Amino acid sequence: DIQMTQSPSSLSASVGDRVTITCQASQNINYYLNWFQQKPGKAPKVLIFDASNLETGVPSRFSGSGSGTDFTFTISSLQPEDVATYFCQQYDNLPLTFGGGTKVEIK
Amino acid sequence: QVQLQESGPGLVKPSETLSLTCSVSGGSISGYYWSWIRQTPGRGLEWIAYIYYTGTTNYNPSLKSRVTISLDTSKTQFSLRLRSVTAADTAVYFCARGTVVSSSWVPSFHSWGQGTLVTVSS
Repeated sequence: DIQMTQSPSSLSASVGDRVTITCQASQNINYYLNWFQQKPGKAPKVLIFDASNLETGVPSRFSGSGSGTDFTFTISSLQPEDVATYFCQQYDNLPLTFGGGTKVEIK
Repeated sequence: QVQLQESGPGLVKPSETLSLTCSVSGGSISGYYWSWIRQTPGRGLEWIAYIYYTGTTNYNPSLKSRVTISLDTSKTQFSLRLRSVTAADTAVYFCARGTVVSSSWVPSFHSWGQGTLVTVSS
C-alpha cells in the first residue's frame, strides 16, 4: 500500500495567516492527489484534485502543488470558516489511501 | 447535484454482519464508480471497496475476505456487507461517487454522503 505521511498533525494560526500543510507519499504517485476539507460531523469535501486543480466553487485562497512524492497544500489567508481538518489522498494505485489529517485552528 | 444518503443499523453485535445502503438521488448510477469509505479516530480514513456501474468491483485487500459491495440500478442504490464484525469495525461509514478525473486508472471520489456511525458492541 502507498503510505501518505501528512504534517503537521495540527496547527494554530491567526486570521489572515498563510498556512501550509505537506503530504509525502511512500512512492511516486505522479500528480494523482486530492486535498479534502472536513468539518466536524460532516463529510470530507474535495478542495484540490490532480495535486493542483481547484474544485469548482472552492475559494482561490486554497491551492496545491507538487508531484511525485512531495505535495503542499496552502491557504493563502486563513479565514475563520477554514477551521477544519484537512486530508490528502492518493489515487495513483489501489488501495486508495489517505494522510492522517491536519487539524487547523484559529489562534 | 447528486446526493448520497447512507442508511442501516447503528448498532451491530460482534461476529454478525454489518449491512449498509447508500441511496443516490439527483443523478444517474450509470457512468460512475460507487464506493464505501470508513473513518475512525484511531485509523483515520480507510477505503473499503468500490463498484463500477457495470458491476466491476475492487476491494481493499485488508478487508476483502469479509466485504461484499453490490449495486441495485433499478433502485439507484448500492450496498455494503461486512461479515464477522468486531469492535475494530466501529466507525463512521461514508458512501461516495467517483469518476476517473485524469489519466490515472483509479477513480477519484468527489461526492460523499454525510456518513453513518456504526457501533459494534454486544
